[in-house]
Amino acid sequence: GQNIDQPTEMTATEGAIVQINCTYQTSGFNGLFWYQQHAGEAPTFLSYNVLDGLEEKGRFSSFLSRSKGYSYLLLKELQMKDSASYLCAYPYNFNKFYFGSGTKLNVKP
Amino acid sequence: GAGVSQSPSNKVTEKGKDVELRCDPISGHTALYWYRQRLGQGLEFLIYFQGNSAPDKSGLPSDRFSAERTGESVSTLTIQRTQQEDSAVYLCASSTQTGPGEKLFFGSGTQLSVL
Repeated sequence: GQNIDQPTEMTATEGAIVQINCTYQTSGFNGLFWYQQHAGEAPTFLSYNVLDGLEEKGRFSSFLSRSKGYSYLLLKELQMKDSASYLCAYPYNFNKFYFGSGTKLNVKP
Repeated sequence: GAGVSQSPSNKVTEKGKDVELRCDPISGHTALYWYRQRLGQGLEFLIYFQGNSAPDKSGLPSDRFSAERTGESVSTLTIQRTQQEDSAVYLCASSTQTGPGEKLFFGSGTQLSVL
């Protein structure tokens, strides 16, 4: 089967660091994506990992461990505008993207 | 076009009526996807198109749902005899699908409310 699990909601303080975890189970792995979705808006692409390790992109980094079926998104120097839902997803057979339910991040002053 | 365009942005209908949702993907994108997102929940896969064909329709919730794509461009998602549980945001996405790492570009969605 295809399963993705993420925490439902997290709260962090402006300027802090937060880690959002994602675990998945799939019989066919073709990489893992992270998307950001602000309330009432469409999801937008953040990162893609296909190999193990950390991919850094400015304030955002994404980590993948294929053997553990585990990924996380690391957000540094949190800003109020980072308040959004963060969705992890993977493409099954390259085409059928499965999304987690998303982690709603609340950034407080 | 510059981005994925969906119309209408909002649709209010009465239970039992049919609705048609439209998606204009980014020009040149061969893959097109429909997702449903209920309030506070994640994205539920409905169907995807490779060109004008739909290899995987397994996500369509019932036979009241259908979709088509023409000219490797515009797609329409039709819901017949709408029910209240159909109320959700329907998101369309497209990609070039040239490799496994190709990201999806989403439209702003159609908010469907069935009264």
